[in-house]
Amino acid sequence: DTEVTQTPKHLVMGMTNKKSLKCEQHMGHRAMYWYKQKAKKPPELMFVYSYEKLSINESVPSRFSPECPNSSLLNLHLHALQPEDSALYLCASSVLLVPNRETQYFGPGTRLLVL
Amino acid sequence: QKEVEQNSGPLSVPEGAIASLNCTYSDRGSQSFFWYRQYSGKSPELIMSIYSNGDKEDGRFTAQLNKASQYVSLLIRDSQPSDSATYLCAVLTGGGNKLTFGTGTQLKVEL
Repeated sequence: DTEVTQTPKHLVMGMTNKKSLKCEQHMGHRAMYWYKQKAKKPPELMFVYSYEKLSINESVPSRFSPECPNSSLLNLHLHALQPEDSALYLCASSVLLVPNRETQYFGPGTRLLVL
Repeated sequence: QKEVEQNSGPLSVPEGAIASLNCTYSDRGSQSFFWYRQYSGKSPELIMSIYSNGDKEDGRFTAQLNKASQYVSLLIRDSQPSDSATYLCAVLTGGGNKLTFGTGTQLKVEL
């Protein structure tokens, strides 16, 4: 089973709203990732959590705030977003067992529209 | 120079033909390479991973890696209309868990 789940599937929010994206996996994976994907572009890495600790932040604006409450759950808190932040937000996870052999499995994504 | 490069396509092949997708990468220290398939509006789905020089076959898919030439390819035999999608080449960099994607090649399999 290589299932990563994400909620909600779709989200519409105003620029003054606060919302959260949720990602969950029950595969025992110890690394979790947030990516942002704009239309007709490849996914771009935002954050990496390894063993529930933030290990990579790709200079993401502070209006995006990640959180990893436990090894199965990853959240992305959104506040004061801009219309250009509208995109498909993808969560992924990997085992974190063999260095340089990590295979990442993606969830279905949350399609975000900022008005 | 982009880290991972692919032709954006579209690559059109007739049903039943072999589709050949290519990718080059710039980081000579990269050790892990992946092909993902992405249907329009969906998330990337892992097709193949390859770590050693040579060929790796899985059903109708064959991944080829040449580290000396910094080149990865994906062959799809007996192409089907359901193979029509964007194929993303991805390379693991940055110490082991940073995945860098190419821009993707759009494949169209025509009846």
